[in-house]
Amino acid sequence: GDSVTQMEGPVTLSEEAFLTINCTYTATGYPSLFWYVQYPGEGLQLLLKATKADDKGSNKGFEATYRKETTSFHLEKGSVQVSDSAVYFCALRGAGSYQLTFGKGTKLSVIP
Amino acid sequence: EPEVTQTPSHQVTQMGQEVILRCVPISNHLYFYWYRQILGQKVEFLVSFYNNEISEKSEIFDDQFSVERPDGSNFTLKIRSTKLEDSAMYFCASSDRTRRGTEAFFGQGTRLTVV
Repeated sequence: GDSVTQMEGPVTLSEEAFLTINCTYTATGYPSLFWYVQYPGEGLQLLLKATKADDKGSNKGFEATYRKETTSFHLEKGSVQVSDSAVYFCALRGAGSYQLTFGKGTKLSVIP
Repeated sequence: EPEVTQTPSHQVTQMGQEVILRCVPISNHLYFYWYRQILGQKVEFLVSFYNNEISEKSEIFDDQFSVERPDGSNFTLKIRSTKLEDSAMYFCASSDRTRRGTEAFFGQGTRLTVV
Protein backbone atom coordinates (compact mmCIF):
# COMPACT_ATOMS: atom_id res chain seq x y z
CA GLY A 1 0.00 0.00 0.00
CA ASP A 2 0.89 3.67 -0.13
CA SER A 3 3.23 5.02 2.52
CA VAL A 4 5.07 8.21 3.45
CA THR A 5 8.30 8.43 5.39
CA GLN A 6 9.54 11.71 6.77
CA MET A 7 12.43 12.58 8.96
CA GLU A 8 11.83 12.20 12.64
CA GLY A 9 11.95 15.24 14.83
CA PRO A 10 12.11 17.25 16.76
CA VAL A 11 14.13 19.73 14.77
CA THR A 12 15.42 22.84 16.52
CA LEU A 13 16.84 25.71 14.48
CA SER A 14 17.91 29.26 15.12
CA GLU A 15 15.99 32.05 13.44
CA GLU A 16 17.11 32.64 9.82
CA ALA A 17 18.59 29.15 9.51
CA PHE A 18 17.93 26.96 6.45
CA LEU A 19 15.33 24.26 6.85
CA THR A 20 15.04 20.90 5.12
CA ILE A 21 12.54 18.26 6.15
CA ASN A 22 12.94 15.09 4.11
CA CYS A 23 9.95 13.18 2.79
CA THR A 24 9.92 10.09 0.61
CA TYR A 25 6.95 8.08 -0.52
CA THR A 26 5.86 4.75 -1.90
CA ALA A 27 2.81 4.67 -4.14
CA THR A 28 1.54 3.07 -7.28
CA GLY A 29 0.86 5.35 -10.20
CA TYR A 30 1.15 9.09 -9.87
CA PRO A 31 0.03 10.40 -6.49
CA SER A 32 -0.55 14.02 -5.54
CA LEU A 33 1.80 15.23 -2.81
CA PHE A 34 1.11 17.65 0.02
CA TRP A 35 2.70 19.33 2.99
CA TYR A 36 0.37 20.16 5.86
CA VAL A 37 1.29 22.23 8.91
CA GLN A 38 -0.20 22.15 12.38
CA TYR A 39 0.39 25.16 14.60
CA PRO A 40 -0.08 24.68 18.35
CA GLY A 41 -3.73 24.24 19.25
CA GLU A 42 -4.91 24.31 15.64
CA GLY A 43 -5.93 21.85 12.96
CA LEU A 44 -3.96 20.71 9.93
CA GLN A 45 -3.57 23.39 7.27
CA LEU A 46 -2.40 22.85 3.73
CA LEU A 47 1.00 24.47 3.25
CA LEU A 48 1.72 23.50 -0.35
CA LYS A 49 1.09 20.79 -2.89
CA ALA A 50 2.25 19.32 -6.20
CA THR A 51 0.30 17.08 -8.52
CA LYS A 52 2.83 15.83 -11.07
CA ALA A 53 6.51 15.13 -11.50
CA ASP A 54 8.82 18.18 -11.40
CA ASP A 55 6.03 20.43 -10.09
CA LYS A 56 7.21 22.81 -7.39
CA GLY A 57 4.78 23.80 -4.68
CA SER A 58 5.49 26.99 -2.77
CA ASN A 59 3.86 29.08 -0.06
CA LYS A 60 5.03 31.44 2.71
CA GLY A 61 8.66 30.97 1.66
CA PHE A 62 8.43 27.17 1.81
CA GLU A 63 9.10 25.07 -1.29
CA ALA A 64 8.98 21.41 -2.25
CA THR A 65 9.59 19.75 -5.60
CA TYR A 66 7.90 16.52 -6.71
CA ARG A 67 10.79 14.23 -7.66
CA LYS A 68 9.51 11.05 -9.22
CA GLU A 69 12.95 9.60 -9.84
CA THR A 70 13.78 9.70 -6.13
CA THR A 71 10.15 9.45 -4.93
CA SER A 72 10.73 12.47 -2.75
CA PHE A 73 9.03 15.73 -1.80
CA HIS A 74 11.44 17.45 0.58
CA LEU A 75 10.31 20.65 2.28
CA GLU A 76 12.72 23.60 2.31
CA LYS A 77 12.80 27.16 3.52
CA GLY A 78 15.74 29.48 3.20
CA SER A 79 15.28 31.46 6.40
CA VAL A 80 12.98 30.22 9.15
CA GLN A 81 11.19 32.43 11.63
CA VAL A 82 9.99 31.80 15.17
CA SER A 83 6.44 31.82 13.79
CA ASP A 84 7.29 28.74 11.68
CA SER A 85 7.42 26.62 14.82
CA ALA A 86 4.86 23.87 14.20
CA VAL A 87 4.48 20.24 13.24
CA TYR A 88 4.88 19.54 9.52
CA PHE A 89 3.23 16.56 7.82
CA CYS A 90 4.04 15.16 4.41
CA ALA A 91 1.11 13.40 2.74
CA LEU A 92 0.02 11.83 -0.51
CA ARG A 93 -3.23 11.02 -2.22
CA GLY A 94 -3.07 8.09 -4.58
CA ALA A 95 -4.68 8.30 -7.99
CA GLY A 96 -8.38 7.57 -7.72
CA SER A 97 -8.33 7.49 -3.92
CA TYR A 98 -10.26 9.60 -1.45
CA GLN A 99 -7.81 9.26 1.39
CA LEU A 100 -4.64 11.06 2.34
CA THR A 101 -1.72 8.98 3.59
CA PHE A 102 0.40 10.90 6.09
CA GLY A 103 3.90 10.71 7.44
CA LYS A 104 4.46 10.79 11.19
CA GLY A 105 5.06 14.51 11.30
CA THR A 106 8.16 16.53 12.15
CA LYS A 107 8.08 19.02 14.97
CA LEU A 108 10.04 22.18 14.21
CA SER A 109 11.06 24.62 16.91
CA VAL A 110 12.68 27.89 15.88
CA ILE A 111 14.49 29.81 18.59
CA PRO A 112 15.33 33.50 18.43
CA GLU B 1 -12.43 32.35 6.05
CA PRO B 2 -14.62 29.24 6.17
CA GLU B 3 -13.41 26.52 8.47
CA VAL B 4 -14.21 23.06 9.72
CA THR B 5 -15.28 23.07 13.36
CA GLN B 6 -15.21 20.13 15.74
CA THR B 7 -16.79 19.65 19.13
CA PRO B 8 -15.86 18.94 21.81
CA SER B 9 -12.17 19.77 21.81
CA HIS B 10 -11.53 17.16 24.48
CA GLN B 11 -13.68 14.25 25.61
CA VAL B 12 -13.02 11.78 28.37
CA THR B 13 -15.07 8.62 28.45
CA GLN B 14 -15.11 5.31 30.26
CA MET B 15 -14.21 2.13 28.44
CA GLY B 16 -17.28 0.52 26.94
CA GLN B 17 -19.23 3.75 26.62
CA GLU B 18 -20.48 5.18 23.36
CA VAL B 19 -19.12 8.50 22.14
CA ILE B 20 -20.18 10.80 19.34
CA LEU B 21 -17.71 13.23 17.88
CA ARG B 22 -19.22 16.12 16.02
CA CYS B 23 -18.05 18.14 13.05
CA VAL B 24 -19.43 20.96 10.98
CA PRO B 25 -17.75 20.83 7.55
CA ILE B 26 -17.40 23.82 5.28
CA SER B 27 -20.85 24.59 3.96
CA ASN B 28 -20.42 24.04 0.21
CA HIS B 29 -18.24 20.95 0.56
CA LEU B 30 -19.53 17.56 -0.53
CA TYR B 31 -16.85 15.13 0.68
CA PHE B 32 -16.25 14.46 4.35
CA TYR B 33 -13.56 12.53 6.15
CA TRP B 34 -12.45 11.32 9.54
CA TYR B 35 -8.83 10.73 10.47
CA ARG B 36 -7.21 9.88 13.77
CA GLN B 37 -3.79 10.26 15.31
CA ILE B 38 -2.76 8.12 18.22
CA LEU B 39 -0.16 9.95 20.31
CA GLY B 40 3.24 9.71 18.68
CA GLN B 41 1.95 7.91 15.60
CA LYS B 42 0.86 8.80 12.11
CA VAL B 43 -2.34 10.53 11.12
CA GLU B 44 -4.47 7.63 9.83
CA PHE B 45 -7.42 7.69 7.49
CA LEU B 46 -10.64 6.23 8.86
CA VAL B 47 -13.43 6.94 6.41
CA SER B 48 -14.69 9.16 3.62
CA PHE B 49 -18.35 10.02 3.05
CA TYR B 50 -20.11 11.37 -0.01
CA ASN B 51 -23.73 11.62 -1.05
CA ASN B 52 -24.89 10.14 2.24
CA GLU B 53 -22.84 6.99 2.03
CA ILE B 54 -19.36 5.75 2.83
CA SER B 55 -17.14 6.01 -0.25
CA GLU B 56 -13.97 4.55 1.23
CA LYS B 57 -12.90 3.18 4.60
CA SER B 58 -9.77 1.78 6.17
CA GLU B 59 -9.24 -1.43 8.09
CA ILE B 60 -9.41 0.58 11.30
CA PHE B 61 -13.02 1.53 10.58
CA ASP B 62 -14.64 -1.65 11.86
CA ASP B 63 -18.17 -2.35 13.08
CA GLN B 64 -17.76 -0.30 16.22
CA PHE B 65 -17.46 2.88 14.13
CA SER B 66 -20.21 4.60 12.20
CA VAL B 67 -20.65 7.95 10.50
CA GLU B 68 -23.71 9.98 9.84
CA ARG B 69 -24.80 13.26 8.39
CA PRO B 70 -27.94 13.77 10.46
CA ASP B 71 -28.82 17.13 8.94
CA GLY B 72 -27.50 19.54 6.36
CA SER B 73 -24.59 20.77 8.41
CA ASN B 74 -23.28 18.17 10.89
CA PHE B 75 -21.11 15.14 10.27
CA THR B 76 -20.64 12.75 13.17
CA LEU B 77 -18.40 9.85 14.09
CA LYS B 78 -19.83 7.36 16.58
CA ILE B 79 -17.76 4.83 18.45
CA ARG B 80 -20.17 2.29 19.94
CA SER B 81 -18.15 0.71 22.71
CA THR B 82 -14.91 2.53 23.31
CA LYS B 83 -11.66 0.73 24.05
CA LEU B 84 -8.51 2.09 25.63
CA GLU B 85 -6.79 1.95 22.25
CA ASP B 86 -9.37 4.34 20.79
CA SER B 87 -7.68 7.15 22.71
CA ALA B 88 -6.43 9.50 20.03
CA MET B 89 -6.89 12.87 18.37
CA TYR B 90 -9.72 12.63 15.84
CA PHE B 91 -9.71 15.02 12.91
CA CYS B 92 -12.64 15.80 10.67
CA ALA B 93 -11.98 17.14 7.17
CA SER B 94 -13.95 18.19 4.13
CA SER B 95 -13.32 19.01 0.49
CA ASP B 96 -15.37 20.28 -2.41
CA ARG B 97 -14.16 17.63 -4.85
CA THR B 98 -11.64 14.82 -5.15
CA ARG B 99 -9.69 15.67 -8.27
CA ARG B 100 -5.91 15.51 -8.20
CA GLY B 101 -4.42 18.04 -5.82
CA THR B 102 -7.71 18.91 -4.13
CA GLU B 103 -7.10 20.31 -0.69
CA ALA B 104 -8.83 18.76 2.30
CA PHE B 105 -9.65 21.28 5.03
CA PHE B 106 -9.19 19.96 8.55
CA GLY B 107 -10.75 20.85 11.86
CA GLN B 108 -8.72 21.44 15.00
CA GLY B 109 -9.43 17.95 16.28
CA THR B 110 -11.14 16.28 19.22
CA ARG B 111 -8.88 14.63 21.75
CA LEU B 112 -10.59 11.46 22.95
CA THR B 113 -9.33 9.89 26.15
CA VAL B 114 -10.74 6.50 27.12
CA VAL B 115 -10.17 5.56 30.75
